[in-house]
Amino acid sequence: QKEVEQDPGPLSVPEGAIVSLNCTYSNSAFQYFMWYRQYSRKGPELLMYTYSSGNKEDGRFTAQVDKSSKYISLFIRDSQPSDSATYLCAASSGYALNFGKGTSLLVTP
Amino acid sequence: NAGVTQTPKFQVLKTGQSMTLQCAQDMNHNSMYWYRQDPGMGLRLIYYSASEGTTDKGEVPNGYNVSRLNKREFSLRLESAAPSQTSVYFCASSDFRGNQPQHFGDGTRLSIL
Repeated sequence: QKEVEQDPGPLSVPEGAIVSLNCTYSNSAFQYFMWYRQYSRKGPELLMYTYSSGNKEDGRFTAQVDKSSKYISLFIRDSQPSDSATYLCAASSGYALNFGKGTSLLVTP
Repeated sequence: NAGVTQTPKFQVLKTGQSMTLQCAQDMNHNSMYWYRQDPGMGLRLIYYSASEGTTDKGEVPNGYNVSRLNKREFSLRLESAAPSQTSVYFCASSDFRGNQPQHFGDGTRLSIL
């Protein structure tokens, strides 16, 4: 069983909706958390990087980490068709990066 | 600002042929990685190089070899390709292993017949 679990979706939402993407992890030593976005036939692109618990906001994107429940979230406000992609979460204890399998998101006009 | 560059972008091989995938980064990163990405399996680490002069096995190293040629370049070699190695291969780099974000290339799509 992977140390980082992620629902593969697909998740389909209308344009303008708030999107919530989630991961759970099992290793309590994880302290570094990342979200990547991957467009079709492209490499993963770093979206958000957070350390320990709490929230981080960047434009329409908010990353949230709850270490007590081992839960990682990414919220996308005012979603756009250009947000349609696969989103991968990742976590690290400072030794190796552990990826979830990715959630496929489709934002329909 | 090229970042991580992978060559070739596409390749078709026959079973038993050999092939080297090339990767170069221009961000002066210490650590470099090779992953494969398969449907339903996510990203799986094949090999990594924590720093110039070192290489180590990842989760799925069998059938592959790597060379850290210098700080910029990290190559992945398939000595005798098998259909099970049909995949999309990604190279990544980071400042240091573990707690730093990794930056990815756009991948090599490899089909083995």
